[in-house]
Amino acid sequence: AQSVAQPEDQVNVAEGNPLTVKCTYSVSGNPYLFWYVQYPNRGLQFLLKYITGDNLVKGSYGFEAEFNKSQTSFHLKKPSALVSDSALYFCAPRVRYGQNFVFGPGTRLSVLP
Amino acid sequence: NAGVTQTPKFQVLKTGQSMTLQCAQDMNHNSMYWYRQDPGMGLRLIYYSASEGTTDKGEVPNGYNVSRLNKREFSLRLESAAPSQTSVYFCASSDGPPQEPLYEQYFGPGTRLTVT
Repeated sequence: AQSVAQPEDQVNVAEGNPLTVKCTYSVSGNPYLFWYVQYPNRGLQFLLKYITGDNLVKGSYGFEAEFNKSQTSFHLKKPSALVSDSALYFCAPRVRYGQNFVFGPGTRLSVLP
Repeated sequence: NAGVTQTPKFQVLKTGQSMTLQCAQDMNHNSMYWYRQDPGMGLRLIYYSASEGTTDKGEVPNGYNVSRLNKREFSLRLESAAPSQTSVYFCASSDGPPQEPLYEQYFGPGTRLTVT
């Protein structure tokens, strides 16, 4: 079975500072890892995914994520946060023939002006 | 290209009433999903459909029924609403089958349902 943890319910960061939203996962087999973002009163939106290859994946809106196999982590990062990045972020591990509907509990990111 | 659309956006029901939440996608996706989102519980899968004519239970199917009417449309029905079904409901679709991990999901804007 797949499981995912996002250890921080809330992350606060000042505008212009780098941000990190953490995710650790447990799957059987090779993981495919996704990040989604949810803005207020909206559905989830795909941000980026790791399938294979380079451990650093770049996505929409300047976000990137680093896959670390030994630590089973897939942390979301951005070098310089914007107030408009304030939203709920979900990590989602996927695996072939797995429970490919599991999402992490979400981390609320607040970027303060 | 509207993506995934859901109706209605808001609904208030009394306990015991029934209603159907509608979902449609115009991306020619094979798979469709219904989730509910509750504070502190995250997203939970109610039902999904891997293709037209097939549906399967997710984590929390009790109290719900679904119909995959055609490739575009996937509806969720509450036969006898209960206060525990107060939630935000999201429909989603993806190009590949659910067991294939490559494909991202596309979500609708949600239906906010209150059962009193």
